[in-house]
Amino acid sequence: ELKVEQNPLFLSMQEGKNYTIYCNYSTTSDRLYWYRQDPGKSLESLFVLLSNGAVKQEGRLMASLDTKARLSTLHITAAVHDLSATYFCAPQSMGGSEKLVFGKGTKLTVNP
Amino acid sequence: SQTIHQWPATLVQPVGSPLSLECTVEGTSNPNLYWYRQAAGRGLQLLFYSVGIGQISSEVPQNLSASRPQDRQFILSSKKLLLSDSGFYLCAWSANSNQPQHFGDGTRLSIL
Repeated sequence: ELKVEQNPLFLSMQEGKNYTIYCNYSTTSDRLYWYRQDPGKSLESLFVLLSNGAVKQEGRLMASLDTKARLSTLHITAAVHDLSATYFCAPQSMGGSEKLVFGKGTKLTVNP
Repeated sequence: SQTIHQWPATLVQPVGSPLSLECTVEGTSNPNLYWYRQAAGRGLQLLFYSVGIGQISSEVPQNLSASRPQDRQFILSSKKLLLSDSGFYLCAWSANSNQPQHFGDGTRLSIL
């Protein structure tokens, strides 16, 4: 059974700083998604990582995937207040349902 | 473009009452459809998914059920709600299992 661990679960950082969110998963997966959720809102798709070594960047966010290490990272560069949200990683299980398994999320707060 | 609609946005129901949440997708055909529940401060739990009309797969045993009476309609139901059914219910669609899932705005369900 695919299990997902995100850390940290809570992250408070100052504007302008850099930080990385880690997503470890327990069984083989070659596809992983990152989502953003604002308080009380739905989920917004950020990145789809489709293969080992995949790297995607959008603005101040960059996501990478290492399928051998079963690790994905979401790197935040020069954080701004608008990035405050909860970020979820979701690797896709292989075979069977091919469902997404979500981590518990990382609640990011960027302080001025 | 494709859109997904969920209703109602909020719902307060007494214990033991029935439930019906509806989700519809526009602008695509034969989508994969998903129901998730998000408990307060936690990640998403997949409840049901469907790859076609009348085809429902259940991920978690519970007193909820799902139906897909039409290609782009997905309904979540219960005959008798429990206190533990409270949460934020999200419907999602994807073109297929290899494409990102796109989420509706969600229904916040409170059981009294």
